[in-house]
Amino acid sequence: GENVEQHPSTLSVQEGDSAVIKCTYSDSASNYFPWYKQELGKRPQLIIDIRSNVGEKKDQRIAVTLNKTAKHFSLHITETQPEDSAVYFCAASIGGATNKLIFGTGTLLAVQP
Amino acid sequence: DAGVIQSPRHEVTEMGQEVTLRCKPISGHNSLFWYRQTMMRGLELLIYFNNNVPIDDSGMPEDRFSAKMPNASFSTLKIQPSEPRDSAVYFCASNMVEGGNEQFFGPGTRLTVL
Repeated sequence: GENVEQHPSTLSVQEGDSAVIKCTYSDSASNYFPWYKQELGKRPQLIIDIRSNVGEKKDQRIAVTLNKTAKHFSLHITETQPEDSAVYFCAASIGGATNKLIFGTGTLLAVQP
Repeated sequence: DAGVIQSPRHEVTEMGQEVTLRCKPISGHNSLFWYRQTMMRGLELLIYFNNNVPIDDSGMPEDRFSAKMPNASFSTLKIQPSEPRDSAVYFCASNMVEGGNEQFFGPGTRLTVL
Protein backbone atom coordinates (compact mmCIF):
# COMPACT_ATOMS: atom_id res chain seq x y z
CA GLY A 1 0.00 0.00 0.00
CA GLU A 2 0.93 3.65 -0.04
CA ASN A 3 3.47 4.83 2.49
CA VAL A 4 5.59 7.80 3.49
CA GLU A 5 9.07 7.30 4.91
CA GLN A 6 10.65 10.01 7.04
CA HIS A 7 14.27 10.47 8.17
CA PRO A 8 15.87 11.00 10.56
CA SER A 9 13.73 9.93 13.50
CA THR A 10 15.67 12.22 15.83
CA LEU A 11 17.77 15.27 15.09
CA SER A 12 19.79 17.39 17.47
CA VAL A 13 21.27 20.71 16.35
CA GLN A 14 22.87 23.72 17.96
CA GLU A 15 20.90 26.94 18.08
CA GLY A 16 21.53 28.89 14.90
CA ASP A 17 22.34 25.82 12.79
CA SER A 18 20.13 24.48 10.02
CA ALA A 19 17.99 21.36 10.20
CA VAL A 20 16.86 19.20 7.30
CA ILE A 21 14.20 16.48 7.40
CA LYS A 22 13.58 14.25 4.41
CA CYS A 23 10.58 12.24 3.25
CA THR A 24 9.87 9.88 0.39
CA TYR A 25 6.46 8.78 -0.82
CA SER A 26 5.22 5.90 -2.92
CA ASP A 27 2.02 7.12 -4.62
CA SER A 28 2.88 8.77 -7.93
CA ALA A 29 -0.54 10.48 -7.89
CA SER A 30 0.23 12.37 -4.67
CA ASN A 31 -0.08 16.11 -5.29
CA TYR A 32 -0.19 17.76 -1.87
CA PHE A 33 2.59 17.63 0.73
CA PRO A 34 2.04 19.35 4.09
CA TRP A 35 4.39 19.54 7.06
CA TYR A 36 3.04 19.59 10.61
CA LYS A 37 4.73 20.58 13.85
CA GLN A 38 3.63 18.98 17.11
CA GLU A 39 4.85 20.30 20.42
CA LEU A 40 4.78 18.02 23.45
CA GLY A 41 1.22 17.34 24.53
CA LYS A 42 -0.24 19.55 21.82
CA ARG A 43 -2.05 19.03 18.53
CA PRO A 44 -0.27 18.85 15.14
CA GLN A 45 -0.29 22.23 13.39
CA LEU A 46 0.49 22.98 9.76
CA ILE A 47 3.68 24.98 9.27
CA ILE A 48 4.08 24.83 5.49
CA ASP A 49 2.78 22.89 2.51
CA ILE A 50 3.62 22.46 -1.15
CA ARG A 51 1.71 21.30 -4.17
CA SER A 52 3.03 19.19 -7.01
CA ASN A 53 3.17 22.06 -9.50
CA VAL A 54 5.78 23.84 -7.38
CA GLY A 55 9.35 22.76 -6.71
CA GLU A 56 10.13 24.96 -3.73
CA LYS A 57 8.30 27.15 -1.24
CA LYS A 58 9.69 29.36 1.48
CA ASP A 59 8.20 31.07 4.51
CA GLN A 60 10.72 33.03 6.56
CA ARG A 61 13.08 30.47 8.15
CA ILE A 62 11.20 27.48 6.78
CA ALA A 63 11.41 26.06 3.27
CA VAL A 64 10.17 22.93 1.57
CA THR A 65 11.51 21.37 -1.63
CA LEU A 66 9.82 18.77 -3.80
CA ASN A 67 11.32 16.41 -6.37
CA LYS A 68 8.40 14.65 -8.03
CA THR A 69 10.60 12.51 -10.24
CA ALA A 70 12.38 11.02 -7.27
CA LYS A 71 9.30 11.22 -5.02
CA HIS A 72 11.26 13.13 -2.40
CA PHE A 73 10.38 16.21 -0.39
CA SER A 74 12.31 17.92 2.37
CA LEU A 75 11.83 20.48 5.14
CA HIS A 76 14.60 22.99 5.77
CA ILE A 77 14.73 25.13 8.90
CA THR A 78 17.43 27.78 9.03
CA GLU A 79 18.74 29.71 12.04
CA THR A 80 17.10 27.24 14.41
CA GLN A 81 15.84 28.45 17.76
CA PRO A 82 14.97 26.52 20.95
CA GLU A 83 11.26 27.06 20.23
CA ASP A 84 11.69 25.03 17.04
CA SER A 85 12.12 21.96 19.25
CA ALA A 86 9.17 19.65 18.51
CA VAL A 87 8.15 16.61 16.48
CA TYR A 88 7.77 17.31 12.77
CA PHE A 89 5.59 15.19 10.50
CA CYS A 90 5.55 15.11 6.74
CA ALA A 91 2.48 13.88 4.86
CA ALA A 92 1.40 13.16 1.31
CA SER A 93 -2.03 13.08 -0.24
CA ILE A 94 -3.17 9.73 -1.53
CA GLY A 95 -4.57 9.61 -5.01
CA GLY A 96 -4.96 12.56 -7.33
CA ALA A 97 -7.90 14.33 -5.80
CA THR A 98 -8.65 12.73 -2.50
CA ASN A 99 -8.60 14.44 0.83
CA LYS A 100 -6.71 11.59 2.46
CA LEU A 101 -3.23 12.09 3.90
CA ILE A 102 -0.61 9.53 4.84
CA PHE A 103 1.76 10.76 7.54
CA GLY A 104 5.42 9.98 8.04
CA THR A 105 6.62 8.58 11.35
CA GLY A 106 7.86 11.92 12.65
CA THR A 107 11.21 13.54 13.47
CA LEU A 108 12.00 14.71 16.98
CA LEU A 109 14.02 17.91 16.59
CA ALA A 110 15.97 19.16 19.58
CA VAL A 111 17.60 22.57 19.32
CA GLN A 112 20.31 22.97 21.93
CA PRO A 113 20.76 26.54 23.26
CA ASP B 1 -13.45 30.67 15.58
CA ALA B 2 -13.28 28.05 18.33
CA GLY B 3 -11.44 25.53 16.21
CA VAL B 4 -12.12 21.81 16.28
CA ILE B 5 -13.60 20.80 19.63
CA GLN B 6 -13.12 17.36 21.15
CA SER B 7 -14.48 15.83 24.31
CA PRO B 8 -13.54 14.47 26.67
CA ARG B 9 -9.91 15.61 26.79
CA HIS B 10 -8.95 12.67 28.99
CA GLU B 11 -10.69 9.36 29.48
CA VAL B 12 -9.67 6.54 31.78
CA THR B 13 -11.73 3.40 31.61
CA GLU B 14 -11.52 -0.29 32.35
CA MET B 15 -11.15 -3.01 29.78
CA GLY B 16 -14.49 -4.09 28.39
CA GLN B 17 -16.20 -0.75 28.85
CA GLU B 18 -17.69 1.28 26.02
CA VAL B 19 -15.91 4.51 25.15
CA THR B 20 -17.39 7.36 23.10
CA LEU B 21 -15.25 10.19 21.81
CA ARG B 22 -16.87 13.32 20.42
CA CYS B 23 -15.88 15.91 17.87
CA LYS B 24 -17.29 19.19 16.59
CA PRO B 25 -15.58 20.33 13.37
CA ILE B 26 -14.93 23.93 12.42
CA SER B 27 -18.10 25.55 11.14
CA GLY B 28 -18.25 25.44 7.35
CA HIS B 29 -15.83 22.53 7.00
CA ASN B 30 -17.30 19.53 5.22
CA SER B 31 -14.59 16.91 5.75
CA LEU B 32 -13.88 15.27 9.09
CA PHE B 33 -11.08 12.90 10.01
CA TRP B 34 -10.41 10.63 12.98
CA TYR B 35 -6.75 9.81 13.73
CA ARG B 36 -5.07 7.70 16.38
CA GLN B 37 -1.57 8.52 17.63
CA THR B 38 0.71 6.11 19.48
CA MET B 39 4.45 5.93 19.94
CA MET B 40 4.63 2.64 18.11
CA ARG B 41 2.42 3.38 15.10
CA GLY B 42 2.60 7.15 14.81
CA LEU B 43 -0.35 9.09 13.41
CA GLU B 44 -2.85 6.78 11.73
CA LEU B 45 -5.98 7.75 9.84
CA LEU B 46 -8.89 5.68 11.09
CA ILE B 47 -11.79 7.04 9.03
CA TYR B 48 -12.87 10.18 7.22
CA PHE B 49 -16.17 11.69 6.16
CA ASN B 50 -17.08 14.04 3.32
CA ASN B 51 -20.41 15.84 3.72
CA ASN B 52 -21.30 13.51 6.62
CA VAL B 53 -20.76 10.38 4.50
CA PRO B 54 -17.99 7.91 5.43
CA ILE B 55 -15.55 7.77 2.53
CA ASP B 56 -12.72 5.56 3.75
CA ASP B 57 -12.80 3.45 6.89
CA SER B 58 -9.92 1.17 5.91
CA GLY B 59 -7.93 2.38 8.91
CA MET B 60 -10.48 1.28 11.48
CA PRO B 61 -8.63 -1.49 13.30
CA GLU B 62 -11.48 -3.81 14.20
CA ASP B 63 -15.23 -4.16 14.40
CA ARG B 64 -14.97 -2.88 17.95
CA PHE B 65 -14.46 0.57 16.44
CA SER B 66 -17.30 2.50 14.85
CA ALA B 67 -17.78 6.12 13.81
CA LYS B 68 -20.80 8.21 12.93
CA MET B 69 -21.46 11.68 11.66
CA PRO B 70 -25.19 12.37 12.05
CA ASN B 71 -24.86 16.00 10.96
CA ALA B 72 -22.33 18.53 9.75
CA SER B 73 -21.39 19.68 13.24
CA PHE B 74 -20.95 16.46 15.17
CA SER B 75 -19.15 13.13 14.98
CA THR B 76 -18.51 10.27 17.38
CA LEU B 77 -15.92 7.51 17.54
CA LYS B 78 -17.03 4.56 19.64
CA ILE B 79 -14.99 1.65 20.95
CA GLN B 80 -16.97 -1.28 22.31
CA PRO B 81 -15.57 -3.20 24.11
CA SER B 82 -12.38 -1.30 24.85
CA GLU B 83 -9.03 -3.04 25.34
CA PRO B 84 -5.71 -1.84 26.85
CA ARG B 85 -4.13 -1.73 23.38
CA ASP B 86 -6.64 0.96 22.41
CA SER B 87 -4.84 3.37 24.73
CA ALA B 88 -3.71 6.29 22.58
CA VAL B 89 -4.41 9.91 21.76
CA TYR B 90 -7.32 10.24 19.36
CA PHE B 91 -7.41 13.36 17.19
CA CYS B 92 -10.27 14.73 15.16
CA ALA B 93 -9.48 17.08 12.26
CA SER B 94 -11.55 18.97 9.72
CA ASN B 95 -11.17 20.86 6.45
CA MET B 96 -12.94 21.61 3.18
CA VAL B 97 -13.57 18.57 0.98
CA GLU B 98 -11.55 19.90 -1.98
CA GLY B 99 -8.22 18.11 -1.84
CA GLY B 100 -5.05 19.85 -0.84
CA ASN B 101 -6.27 21.98 2.01
CA GLU B 102 -4.97 22.27 5.53
CA GLN B 103 -6.42 19.86 8.04
CA PHE B 104 -7.12 21.56 11.37
CA PHE B 105 -6.63 19.27 14.33
CA GLY B 106 -8.55 19.29 17.58
CA PRO B 107 -6.76 19.09 20.95
CA GLY B 108 -7.14 15.33 21.09
CA THR B 109 -8.58 12.87 23.59
CA ARG B 110 -6.06 10.91 25.64
CA LEU B 111 -7.61 7.48 26.22
CA THR B 112 -6.27 5.08 28.82
CA VAL B 113 -7.80 1.62 29.05
CA LEU B 114 -6.79 -0.24 32.20
